[in-house]
Amino acid sequence: NAGVTQTPKFRILKIGQSMTLQCTQDMNHNYMYWYRQDPGMGLKLIYYSVGAGITDKGEVPNGYNVSRSTTEDFPLRLELAAPSQTSVYFCASRWDTVGLNEKLFFGSGTQLSVL
Amino acid sequence: AQSVTQLDSHVSVSEGTPVLLRCNYSSSYSPSLFWYVQHPNKGLQLLLKYTSAATLVKGINGFEAEFKKSETSFHLTKPSAHMSDAAEYFCVVTKGYGQNFVFGPGTRLSVLP
Repeated sequence: NAGVTQTPKFRILKIGQSMTLQCTQDMNHNYMYWYRQDPGMGLKLIYYSVGAGITDKGEVPNGYNVSRSTTEDFPLRLELAAPSQTSVYFCASRWDTVGLNEKLFFGSGTQLSVL
Repeated sequence: AQSVTQLDSHVSVSEGTPVLLRCNYSSSYSPSLFWYVQHPNKGLQLLLKYTSAATLVKGINGFEAEFKKSETSFHLTKPSAHMSDAAEYFCVVTKGYGQNFVFGPGTRLSVLP
């Protein structure tokens, strides 16, 4: 059972380039999340999805886009990369039973540098 | 609005001595609270969670946390630190009905031989 898989693990972008961070999970979770982690700041929510075809903005969505065409996949798109997007990105998923199974399953992260 | 404060950005202990990582929260709802651990270059892993059952929660690897509503605290403890406990620890509170999770800034635990 692979859990949550993120690709790539590392990437260097030039300012203005675009890229897609891939996230897939094989646990049939409806809820999926994208977070960014900056030193000393904890994790900030970028976007989340409660099921295929449904996405919503989190705390820091500017400069990012997402889609959720299947239950398994939740890619994060960076358009016109900026140095402020240098960060470690984590994808996570969980069951959708409120109050009972709120455990988040995390991918291993993508370290992105924008130069 | 929900928020989480972790009072120490870095804690250093000797192997075999107790660990205390402090967390205070604010929440408009009866909160669910969690501790996650992140080992270097890894994703986050759930240590334990509080969801309005027993106030003393036991987690993996000998960690415990006690929910104190009067103090709005959820401190993480372990009686005896092990070298493998060296990691970043995050206190987390749910927002609303669990659709979002608010993370504290993290506490880095160092364990000295």
